[in-house]
Amino acid sequence: EAAVTQSPRSKVAVTGGKVTLSCHQTNNHDYMYWYRQDTGHGLRLIHYSYVADSTEKGDIPDGYKASRPSQENFSLILELASLSQTAVYFCASSGRDWLSQNTLYFGAGTRLSVL
Amino acid sequence: TQTVSQSDAHVTVFEGDSVELRCNYSYGGSIYLSWYIQHHGRGLQFLLKYYSGNPVVQGVNGFEAEFSKSDSSFHLRKASVHWSDSAVYFCAASIGSSSFSKLVFGQGTSLSVVP
Repeated sequence: EAAVTQSPRSKVAVTGGKVTLSCHQTNNHDYMYWYRQDTGHGLRLIHYSYVADSTEKGDIPDGYKASRPSQENFSLILELASLSQTAVYFCASSGRDWLSQNTLYFGAGTRLSVL
Repeated sequence: TQTVSQSDAHVTVFEGDSVELRCNYSYGGSIYLSWYIQHHGRGLQFLLKYYSGNPVVQGVNGFEAEFSKSDSSFHLRKASVHWSDSAVYFCAASIGSSSFSKLVFGQGTSLSVVP
């Protein structure tokens, strides 16, 4: 079954530390996304990628980096974690054409707590 | 700026009742609208979408939504809810005819179904 798998499912990090969140998809999708979910704010797009070795900024990229080493894998990197980055992070994938881009397949999420 | 608004943060109904979850958007052109469901501790799952044609679209598990251009709305409905429908529901919108289609999510509506 095609899927989007995130790891870890939860993480506790210290302020100023480096955090890497990983995402792997078996949907054979071109597009991958990282979203952040905060209570009462819905989902906000951090970074996305439409091809390996290339990433694009979303709406809230500050404090985050992304890496797409292959079509299947997409990582979100917090070089210097801060308290304000405590949130649930979702990875998603979608197809290439316009209509397919708008149907996202999500992972189960990573709950990040920065202390 | 394109926005999506879900006016109800929480809705509580009894099992077997009908329910309508409201979604309004602000954009005057061609638009893609969708609904996603998020069960507790899980990722978002696609429910249904509208882009053109019949304004009433059917989704999984008895859900349907109706597009209204005059009201700028895309409300989600179900005739008879089950306790398993308890979840958070997100409305999302994307502007048409773009090389990259970014989904903008509403704040979410938490539906509680009382057995």
